[in-house]
Amino acid sequence: AAGVIQSPRHLIKEKRETATLKCYPIPRHDTVYWYQQGPGQDPQFLISFYEKMQSDKGSIPDRFSAQQFSDYHSELNMSSLELGDSALYFCAGRTGKFGRNTEAFFGQGTRLTVV
Amino acid sequence: ILNVEQSPQSLHVQEGDSTNFTCSFPSSNFYALHWYRWETAKSPEALFVMTLNGDEKKKGRISATLNTKEGYSYLYIKGSQPEDSATYLCALPSGSARQLTFGSGTQLTVLP
Repeated sequence: AAGVIQSPRHLIKEKRETATLKCYPIPRHDTVYWYQQGPGQDPQFLISFYEKMQSDKGSIPDRFSAQQFSDYHSELNMSSLELGDSALYFCAGRTGKFGRNTEAFFGQGTRLTVV
Repeated sequence: ILNVEQSPQSLHVQEGDSTNFTCSFPSSNFYALHWYRWETAKSPEALFVMTLNGDEKKKGRISATLNTKEGYSYLYIKGSQPEDSATYLCALPSGSARQLTFGSGTQLTVLP
């Protein structure tokens, strides 16, 4: 069965560069979440989308932006990268139509290293 | 923002031991609780989604209980095996049901 696809799996960028992370949820999953997990830290919620509209915003820096496209894939754009942005970025998808009971399915994550 | 707490932060047990850990959450405005298992180098996978006070769910040697009135859920593993070694996360959806707030996880290591 198709899973949640994230690309790239690994990314190395220099300070002040930009990066784009992509997430392709399971077909028919209309809700996407982005999480950031720094070394030794809890997963931090960044932002979520439902039906291509932003639904919740967490601790996402102003340097980051994200969107969900008509095919429900989502992209996280990160600009003016800082060393502290080095982290594992997970996306998860679920169907929002059935409310709170539906589980989330996670991608493998993108490990971003800023040097 | 929901305050979701998990304890202990980490746990080492011997193969064959049974173990349990806790997820605590505000008892007001409860909607559902998710348990996920996150193995190293893999992505988190859902174990259970629990919604009703008194719910008990079981999958093989792993089971979970839910007490929404006092705001906690227990995850139990009976006869731990090395393959159970993982971080176990609980998460609760917000009122909008769009955001999942995760606890910090309990890192379980089962020693052979």
